Amino acid sequence: EIVLTQSPGTLSLSPGERATLSCRASQTVSTHYLAWYQQKPGQAPRLLIFGASIRATGLPDRFSGSGSGTDFTLTISRLEPEDFAVYYCQQYGSLPITFGQGTRLEIK
Amino acid sequence: VQLVESGGGLVQPGGSLRLSCAASGFTFNSYWMSWIRQAPGKGLEWVANIKEDGSEKYYLDSVKGRFTISRDNARKSLYLQMNSLRAEDTAVYYCARSGFSGTSVWGQGTMLSVSS
Repeated sequence: EIVLTQSPGTLSLSPGERATLSCRASQTVSTHYLAWYQQKPGQAPRLLIFGASIRATGLPDRFSGSGSGTDFTLTISRLEPEDFAVYYCQQYGSLPITFGQGTRLEIK
Repeated sequence: VQLVESGGGLVQPGGSLRLSCAASGFTFNSYWMSWIRQAPGKGLEWVANIKEDGSEKYYLDSVKGRFTISRDNARKSLYLQMNSLRAEDTAVYYCARSGFSGTSVWGQGTMLSVSS
């Protein structure tokens, strides 16, 4: 099983600042099958990034994904008020499919 | 594009329940489908997925032998039969469309509570 470890657990930033979220895998994630999701309270998760760096349809370009192998990053270049939420990474190249424990992005 | 789950509720430990998911707005039989759950206040956990034609099914170890995923492509529906339920199965269960582009469509979720 591939264990995904996200850091930090909580990130406190202000609107307009840059957010950098990390996801580290215990083994190589095959063929860049790494995705990022955003979840707001009471809502289902929303796909942001797949294939490690491909933005989902309609996603603002302030969101970007990067990385390969075991180290992946989600960057939000300039935080908007609606970006404060919990973010999860997921690997879907090996079974069982696994998620990171999440990073809570909160307003400072 | 929409997924709508139903069938959640309160069940006693050891009991059974079947979740359903109705799909619309996309070609259902062209996609792998998944069930993903989220215990109260916790993170996301993949439970099971099923190939487009139902010929392959995969499960989280902790639900193997207790849960069965199935689909009816004619009805554009996904199911999760859950037997021998445990308190630790308590969660919101999401139906989701999966594939090479990640889990791109999620339902609103249905709550399962396992308690005496």
